[in-house]
Amino acid sequence: GEDVEQSLFLSVREGDSSVINCTYTDSSSTYLYWYKQEPGAGLQLLTYIFSNMDMKQDQRLTVLLNKKDKHLSLRIADTQTGDSAIYFCAELNDYKLSFGAGTTVTVRA
Amino acid sequence: NAGVTQTPKFRILKIGQSMTLQCTQDMNHNYMYWYRQDPGMGLKLIYYSVGAGITDKGEVPNGYNVSRSTTEDFPLRLELAAPSQTSVYFCASSYGGLALYTGELFFGEGSRLTVL
Repeated sequence: GEDVEQSLFLSVREGDSSVINCTYTDSSSTYLYWYKQEPGAGLQLLTYIFSNMDMKQDQRLTVLLNKKDKHLSLRIADTQTGDSAIYFCAELNDYKLSFGAGTTVTVRA
Repeated sequence: NAGVTQTPKFRILKIGQSMTLQCTQDMNHNYMYWYRQDPGMGLKLIYYSVGAGITDKGEVPNGYNVSRSTTEDFPLRLELAAPSQTSVYFCASSYGGLALYTGELFFGEGSRLTVL
């Protein structure tokens, strides 16, 4: 089964906040990541969080980590049309990143 | 700076044909990866390499082969193509060390392969 799980779709109104959720299974993961994929392009790193942190904020992005529940979330404040993309959660295991299936975020006017 | 370059961008193969997807990076990265992306399935790791001359299997290596004779190049070979190999293939690289831990993977633009 999937090591990293995410819901597949999210629709959000422009200007609202988006929250994308992810669960992972490897409790030894020390680093967790959010990547963004725009249409026709490869993935780009958005942000990462170290496992000894509960929260990390970077401009409009807020990452929350609940190690007890193995739950990671990404909040995008004031969502814009340029935020429409697929967002992947990932964890690091032995030099390799394991990715979730990706959440397709659609921003509507 | 070219970054990670994949060729071809698109290819249609017949069942049983073979081909090589090329991947080159000009960042002197030690770590290189091949992923395939299928709708609703996310990215699955096919093979990876932690340096020239060293390769290892990922989650879904069957039907593929790789080599890493130089730091720059990491070609992916498909032998006897099957419809199940229809996918988008991504090559990625990382310097390793702290860069890997902070998630600094650089991805190519992808190669869309269709096997009919």
